[in-house]
Amino acid sequence: DQQVKQNSPSLSVQEGRISILNCDYTNSMFDYFLWYKKYPAEGPTFLISISSIKDKNEDGRFTVFLNKSAKHLSLHIVPSQPGDSAVYFCAARAYNQGGKLIFGQGTELSVKP
Amino acid sequence: DAGVIQSPRHEVTEMGQEVTLRCKPISGHDYLFWYRQTMMRGLELLIYFNNNVPIDDSGMPEDRFSAKMPNASFSTLKIQPSEPRDSAVYFCASSPGTRLWQYFGPGTRLTVT
Repeated sequence: DQQVKQNSPSLSVQEGRISILNCDYTNSMFDYFLWYKKYPAEGPTFLISISSIKDKNEDGRFTVFLNKSAKHLSLHIVPSQPGDSAVYFCAARAYNQGGKLIFGQGTELSVKP
Repeated sequence: DAGVIQSPRHEVTEMGQEVTLRCKPISGHDYLFWYRQTMMRGLELLIYFNNNVPIDDSGMPEDRFSAKMPNASFSTLKIQPSEPRDSAVYFCASSPGTRLWQYFGPGTRLTVT
């Protein structure tokens, strides 16, 4: 039972354009959502988070949008840079499951110069 | 500060052999997590500890997997006997109780032939 889903395994974007990574979830008990970034041969690193009581959080070039009615969140990267090429994981915290994080499958972003 | 340390970085073993993966969390972090990354399921939580005590092992796939945390600075994940379907990247992560996000180690790539 995949509670957090990233349906696009890969995304290719031109440098300078917007990258939009999507994530869907099923559990209405999630209270926080996070995005992690992972480079090859490294562990994931935290990128940005959003509380379930908000619908937008922005940090520099990265913005996360949350649509609770649709159980959908997205990460926008503007403008995209070649160094953004990585695997992006969406994660959700389930406060009714001991606060553990539940991750999606990941989306590999490729930003082409 | 040193991050989460995992060893070995790569492990190749034959089916039926015992495999032990090791993790040193960040000093002062009281939560430790073991994850497995596969293409199909992304990052799956296997087990997590709080103050060296296992809290949730519902993600451990079967009895062949076991994890221990004998002290605050060391944890092991053991697979005995190993099978080819155990081939994956295994991550250890730690966090202080007050922090939402987790800090990941570089991972151990396990190949079982």
